[in-house]
Order: sequence, then C-alpha cells, then structure tokens
Amino acid sequence: DIQLTQSPSFLSASVGDRVTITCRASQGISNYLAWYQQKPGKAPELLIYTASTLQSGVPSRFSGSGSGTEFTLTISGLQPEDFATYYCQQLNSYPALTFGGGTKVEIK
Amino acid sequence: QITLKESGPTLVKATQTLTLTCTFSGFSVSTSGVGVGWIRQPPGKALEWLALVYWDDDKRYSPSLKSRLTITKDTSKNQVVLTMTNMDPVDTATYYCARSGVTIVQGVVGPEKYNWFDHWGQGTLVIASS
Repeated sequence: DIQLTQSPSFLSASVGDRVTITCRASQGISNYLAWYQQKPGKAPELLIYTASTLQSGVPSRFSGSGSGTEFTLTISGLQPEDFATYYCQQLNSYPALTFGGGTKVEIK
Repeated sequence: QITLKESGPTLVKATQTLTLTCTFSGFSVSTSGVGVGWIRQPPGKALEWLALVYWDDDKRYSPSLKSRLTITKDTSKNQVVLTMTNMDPVDTATYYCARSGVTIVQGVVGPEKYNWFDHWGQGTLVIASS
C-alpha cells in the first residue's frame, strides 16, 4: 500500500496566520491526492481533490499543490472556524485507498 | 441535496458479524462515475478506508480486512450495505459511509479508478465488546 506521512502532526497558530501542512507519499502518485477537514465529533469534509482542485463551496483561502510524492495544503489567513484536524488521502483504490495520520491545528 | 446516513447496531459482541446500512438520497449509485465507500475512525485516531462499490458493481476492499468484509448495493432502495465478520474490540470505531467522486484514468494494465469522498454521512459509533 502507499503510505502517506503528514507533517507536522500538531500545529499551533493564530488567527490570520498562513499555515502549511505537508503530505508525503511513499511512492509517486501523480496528482491523485485529496485533503479533508474534520472538526471534533463531525464527519470529514472534502476541501481539495486531485491535489489542487478546490471543492465547490470551500473558501479560497484553502489551496493545495504538489505532485509525485510531496504535497501541501495551505491556509492563507487562518480563521477561527479553521481550527480542526486535516487529513490527506491518496485516490487510487488499487490496492488500497489510504489516509495520512492527520494534522491537528490548534489556537496559539 | 445529497445526504447519507449510516444505521446499524451500536454494540456488537466479539466474533459476531456487524451489518451496517448506508441510506442515501440526492444521487444514484447506478450513475456512471459514482461510488459509495465506507471509512472508519477509532476513537482519537486517523481515518481508515474499508470498502468501495462502484456504479458498475466493481468492488474494492482494504487488503488488510478483505477476508472479513462484504459490500453490496441496492440501487432500487438507494442503499449500500457493509458486513464485517468476526468483530473484535479493536474494531470499535465510528463508521462512515461516503459518496465517492470517481475519475477513470487509463493505466498500464487497464482503466484505473481514482476516488475522493465528496459527501459523508454523520457516522455511527460501533462498540465491539469482549
């Protein structure tokens, strides 16, 4: 299976900060990566797919980039509602879809 | 409006079989390019993909759990059912169903399906007791 490693696993930031989360794949996956946001007690929500395509309705302060083995999720101007846990996911179901371990973004 | 909702038992005993139903509206699983998957999340831990069924009845399973999982779809009822045999306390988790957007890319050995989950159910907590 393709392993996804997110860094950092925990991040403390202030409202208005620019935040970057990295996801590294154990082998090249082209641009087949998605990002999700999950708030406590809630289901994940899709932010970005195919590495950089913003899901409909997601604020433009979220952006994704990367290809191959290294990907980033950037939040430009952190808002109070953005404090959550973020997961990356590689999109190929053969042999298995996989998620990263998560990055928790907390208020500094 | 697309909605999904999971249903099933909250408590199962070890060795028993878990059956979860995902009932959805706002889309059809017979529409080309659509799939429905199951993902679980143990308390305080990361997401883990379990299974996926596509519009063409192609089915994919997590290799580590494949021997215990069965996924089926009932297009007429707008439902997808997941069964997991031989439950164990380590299977305690919130189980989510989600609609998958799918893009097909021609690979070396044939068409490959790439999936992201664009709509999720609220999740259902399943506790497996010993």
